[in-house]
Amino acid sequence: EVQLVQSGAQVRKPGESLMLSCKASGYSFSSYWIGWVRQMPGKGLEWMGIVFPGDSYPGRSNTLYSPSFRGQVTISADRSISTAYLQWSSLKASHTAMYYCARYFVAGDPQGFDVWGQGTMVTVSS
Amino acid sequence: EIVLTQSPGTLSLSPGERATLSCGASQSISSRDLGWYQQKPGQAPRLLIYGASNRATGIPDRFSGSGSGTDFTLTISGLEPEDFAVYYCQHYGSSPVWTFGPGTKVEIK
Repeated sequence: EVQLVQSGAQVRKPGESLMLSCKASGYSFSSYWIGWVRQMPGKGLEWMGIVFPGDSYPGRSNTLYSPSFRGQVTISADRSISTAYLQWSSLKASHTAMYYCARYFVAGDPQGFDVWGQGTMVTVSS
Repeated sequence: EIVLTQSPGTLSLSPGERATLSCGASQSISSRDLGWYQQKPGQAPRLLIYGASNRATGIPDRFSGSGSGTDFTLTISGLEPEDFAVYYCQHYGSSPVWTFGPGTKVEIK
């Protein structure tokens, strides 16, 4: 069974750092992009960025960011442990949200985010 | 960056009725790069439709997608109680920036 399992809920103070994880199983982790999506309380879905855990190619970035999140977060992956990460160096109260990871599936044509993690709730409060 | 709009914001319907949800793109996009998701309260989103008109695995055939260019539609042919949820369209793929629409809430009338 293809699964993405995310780390548990986090409570942090403003200014602290944080790394969320998303562990994949049931498929070849290096073959598919993994994306991150933010959902602020009571709001819609926001695409943050996406990472390709496989080999990089000259002239092609393995990580894409939404302009809204570029420079604010770092997205990475460790294919040796089939895990993707989303991290902040200095949290703000406005980062309070649910964060989802999701697999971007391509089989010939792209097929969107076909498998989602359960989500990680991040609360930033002093 | 492509901006997606969705209408209506809220759709109030009764079980058994037909739901028609619209997604508009600020510029023409390839149909292969448009998907639809369903999200119920407290749950992660679920992929319904990819490539504008292809049902994802396990999705009932009452869900259908259509459209091209800048105008796309998700139709639910007869609402079941479990279909009352929020629906999002998404542009992905060939663009380096992917976006979600703001969502349409389908609520029980």
